[in-house]
Amino acid sequence: GQQLNQSPQSMFIQEGEDVSMNCTSSSIFNTWLWYKQDPGEGPVLLIALYKAGELTSNGRLTAQFGITRKDSFLNISASIPSDVGIYFCAGSYNQGGKLIFGQGTELSVKP
Amino acid sequence: DAGITQSPRHKVTETGTPVTLRCHQTENHRYMYWYRQDPGHGLRLIHYSYGVKDTDKGEVSDGYSVSRSKTEDFLLTLESATSSQTSVYFCAISESYSSGNTIYFGEGSWLTVV
Repeated sequence: GQQLNQSPQSMFIQEGEDVSMNCTSSSIFNTWLWYKQDPGEGPVLLIALYKAGELTSNGRLTAQFGITRKDSFLNISASIPSDVGIYFCAGSYNQGGKLIFGQGTELSVKP
Repeated sequence: DAGITQSPRHKVTETGTPVTLRCHQTENHRYMYWYRQDPGHGLRLIHYSYGVKDTDKGEVSDGYSVSRSKTEDFLLTLESATSSQTSVYFCAISESYSSGNTIYFGEGSWLTVV
């Protein structure tokens, strides 16, 4: 079945540092989504990407849809303590649009 | 907030007992989903609904059933709970099931089967 590999699994960074995480797929996707989950909450949509090569920003967050359509990355610039949480990528492919989720990247930010 | 309410938010139940989780939406979205989240597995789709009384299985549907008698409500039932069903369950909604449309999640229901 479809596989999504998300890396890294966890990150420990200093406040102010930039962060980068990525997802790769075994198949071509035509939608990539990035979510953030705070402890005890449901995932919240951060950025949605619909076209290969697309680069989209949301404040300090930037995500790109890889040109091969098999990968996507999320960058966070100048991290702050409230960036702490688990970040999930999700993608859908041609048949029906069912979303496949990565396993998440747990981000810790040291003040 | 996406207008999704899950209940109960937390439940402890015994092995072999039936459990029903409820998802209620106020967005009038056509599609509703139940996911479970477990360490090391991310979010996995259990069942989804594409309209009233229209449901289909996801990737981890064994041991679960669903029902949707109204647009706004989607119920997930564990007929006979097992310890392997201890998990966090998330309801989600979307306007469309087609690629390019995003889904929005509820706050989760923590279920412990002892």
